[in-house]
Amino acid sequence: NAGVTQTPKFQVLKTGQSMTLQCAQDMNHEYMSWYRQDPGMGLRLIHYSVGAGITDQGEVPNGYNVSRSTTEDFPLRLLSAAPSQTSVYFCASSWTLTGELFFGEGSRLTVL
Amino acid sequence: KQEVTQIPAALSVPEGENLVLNCSFTDSAIYNLQWFRQDPGKGLTSLLLIQSSQREQTSGRLNASLDKSSGRSTLYIAASQPGDSATYLCAVGRPEKLVFGKGTKLTVNP
Repeated sequence: NAGVTQTPKFQVLKTGQSMTLQCAQDMNHEYMSWYRQDPGMGLRLIHYSVGAGITDQGEVPNGYNVSRSTTEDFPLRLLSAAPSQTSVYFCASSWTLTGELFFGEGSRLTVL
Repeated sequence: KQEVTQIPAALSVPEGENLVLNCSFTDSAIYNLQWFRQDPGKGLTSLLLIQSSQREQTSGRLNASLDKSSGRSTLYIAASQPGDSATYLCAVGRPEKLVFGKGTKLTVNP
């Protein structure tokens, strides 16, 4: 039972570089989302999707891009990495909007 | 804007003790409330989900209650064990935009 799978688990970038954090779920969940977790700030929503082809912004979307071409995948793109994007990123999914939320193990990103 | 507060930020108890974790929120127009557990360096694991029409949910030694009118939820852990040591987070709000509290770090001492 894979659940929600995130790759990579760790990544170090230089300022200005771009990269994509991958998220895949095998539970046929319609809803998927990306959060970042920072010390003292808690979890904050970056972007979310309620189905293939549908995405919307969360609380902290600036500097991030998403797309949802399939039900299974919801990649998060950092367009030009900044030190302020150093964080732990979590992908989550659920069957319905009001359903139980399942999280991936997280991707720890450091931007130098 | 929905704000979620969890008090205390940290709690240390001896093994076997019953304990209560608190979660308060400012906007009572919620769809559901979820309690999660997070172990160090790991993702979040869902513990209990309470729909807005429900008052409580139970799973094993865990019981969560919801009082929308007062903007409060509690997570009751019975007969705590060292394996319960983790950070516990609650989340509320609109379905597509959950707002998380900052969590309560629980340590259960053998």
